[in-house]
Order: sequence, then C-alpha cells, then structure tokens
Amino acid sequence: EIVLTQSPGTLSLSPGERATLSCRASQSVSSSSLAWYQQKPGQAPRLLISDASSRATGIPDRFSGSGSGTDFTLTISRLEPEDLAVYHCQQYGSSPLTFGQGTKVEIK
Amino acid sequence: QLQLQESGPGLVKPSETLSLTCTVSGGSISSSSYYWGWVRQPPGKGLDYIGSIHYSGSTYFNPSLKSRVTISVDTSNNQFSLKLSSVTAADTAVYYCARGTPYSYWGQGTLVIVSS
Repeated sequence: EIVLTQSPGTLSLSPGERATLSCRASQSVSSSSLAWYQQKPGQAPRLLISDASSRATGIPDRFSGSGSGTDFTLTISRLEPEDLAVYHCQQYGSSPLTFGQGTKVEIK
Repeated sequence: QLQLQESGPGLVKPSETLSLTCTVSGGSISSSSYYWGWVRQPPGKGLDYIGSIHYSGSTYFNPSLKSRVTISVDTSNNQFSLKLSSVTAADTAVYYCARGTPYSYWGQGTLVIVSS
C-alpha cells in the first residue's frame, strides 16, 4: 500500500501569512489521484482539493494544490483565523485508499 | 443537497460485533457510479480507510481489517452498512460514512467506544 507522510506535524502562523503543507508518497500516486481535506475541531473532514490541484465546489481560491508523482503540496496563500484545522492528504489512485497522518495548522 | 447520517450503538463490548448504518438522503444510493465508504478516526489520531461498496455490490477493503469487515448495501432503504467483528479497544473511534472517490460528502460521524 502507498504510505503518505505529511510534514510538518504542526504549523503555527499568523493571519495573512502563507502556509505550505507537504504530502510525500512512498511510491508514485497514479494519475495524480491525490486529495486534501480540512478538518476543523469536532467536525467531519471537508474536501478541499481533488486530482492534486482541482478545488472542490465552494472552496476559496486562497487554497491551492500542486504536485505529481510522489510529492504534493497544499498552499494556503493568506491564512485566515477560520483556517485553524487539521489538513489530511489522501491518495485514491490505488487500493487500498490511504491517508496521511495530518498537519495541524495553528493561528498565532 | 446530499446528506449522510451514521447510526448505531455508541458502546460495544470487546469481542462483539460493531454494526453501523449510513442513511443517505437527498439522492439515490443506486443512481450513480459512486462508491460509498467507511472511514474511522481514533481519538486524537488520523483518518483510517475501512472499505467501500458500490450499489452493484462491488467492494474494496483495507487489508488490515478485511478479515473482520463486512460492508453491505440496501438500495430499497437507501442505506449501506458496516459490520466489524471481534472488536477490541483499538477499534474505539469516530466512524464516518462518505461518498465518492475522493470523498466529497461525509456524515457527521459517530463515536463508538469498545469497553466492557
């Protein structure tokens, strides 16, 4: 199975700053089948990005995804207080589907 | 608007079988090519894929759980279900149902505690 490793574990930034989250796969992710989810405290995850770079419906354009192969990035261009959450990556290109361990974004 | 809702016991005894149902509203479980899945999240930890089912009955499972997992679909009631046998404390988690690949719709989640 494909193991996804997210870094850093925690990111602490001020509002307006740029956040860069990494997701590295143990082997190439087929067809860039990588998604990013946002999970706010006490809530279910919400799909942000699919196919590595396609924003889901209603997701602000300050969220962007990039990458291919084994290295993927989620960028939040200008952090807002409501972006406090854990961000998970998931590959769905091969079975079994797998998730990274998550990156927690804290707002200073 | 599609909605998913998990239901089932919040407390299960060790060695018994955990049973959850996901009820889909606002759309038909059999009207599309989507897979319907189960994901769990142990307290304070990340997300774990359990398995998925298509309304035709086609299934995929996480190999680490496959021997203990059954996922079924009931198109007449627009539901799909999860059974996890021989549970231990390590199976304590919030269990989510979700639609699609990737998961564009999620239920709110239900906490299942395994304890005697």
